[in-house]
Amino acid sequence: AQSVTQLDSQVPVFEEAPVELRCNYSSSVSVYLFWYVQYPNQGLQLLLKYLSGSTLVKGINGFEAEFNKSQTSFHLRKPSVHISDTAEYFCAVSVAGGTSYGKLTFGQGTILTVHP
Amino acid sequence: NAGVTQTPKFQVLKTGQSMTLQCAQDMNHNSMYWYRQDPGMGLRLIYYSASEGTTDKGEVPNGYNVSRLNKREFSLRLESAAPSQTSVYFCASSADRSRAFFGQGTRLTVV
Repeated sequence: AQSVTQLDSQVPVFEEAPVELRCNYSSSVSVYLFWYVQYPNQGLQLLLKYLSGSTLVKGINGFEAEFNKSQTSFHLRKPSVHISDTAEYFCAVSVAGGTSYGKLTFGQGTILTVHP
Repeated sequence: NAGVTQTPKFQVLKTGQSMTLQCAQDMNHNSMYWYRQDPGMGLRLIYYSASEGTTDKGEVPNGYNVSRLNKREFSLRLESAAPSQTSVYFCASSADRSRAFFGQGTRLTVV
C-alpha cells in the first residue's frame, strides 16, 4: 500500500515571495508522483507529474517539483507567488507500471493563501 | 468540450434514502473513478473501473455500489444514506498511461 503525507496543512505567504509545499510518500513499490491544484468550488487540475527521467519537473503556472528518491519526497516550489495561486494543493501517487494513472492515493492537502 | 460531467451538483438526503450520482465523460477514456473528499483527509478512492464491464473496490467502498453502464458513464449509488457519507464526491477519468481529468464535484449532505 502507498501513503502520502503533506507536512503543512496551511501555508500563508505574501505575494511575490517564494513558496515550498512539502510532500513525503511511502511505498513498497515504485510510484509515479503528481501535484494537483483545487480552486474553490472546483474540481482538481494537474499541475505536474513525475514518471521517470529528470528529477526536476516543471509544470503549469510557474510551479516545479523535485523528486528525491532517497528521502521519498516530492516538494512543490514556486519562486514568486501571485494572489491567483491561492488554492488547495494535493500531492498524490499511483503505482508505477500500471496503466490507470487516475488510481491515486492522495495526501491530506495544503491550503496555500497568498496575501497582498 | 465538456470533459467529465457530474450530476447533480448539490443534494440533500435524509438518513436511509437512496440516490445515484451520475458521471459521464466525452474523451473516450477507458478508466473511470469515484473519489470522496473530506476536510483534512484529501481524496479517497471509492471504486474504479479500468475498462467497460469491470469495476473494482478502492480504499473506502463500504456503503456504495457502482455501475459502468457503458464506456462513457460510471454511476455511484448510495442504497441507504448515512450521515457519515456527507462529503464532496468527484468523478474522474483517464486514458491509458495518461493523467486523470476530474469533474466539478457533487456536494452531498445527509441529515
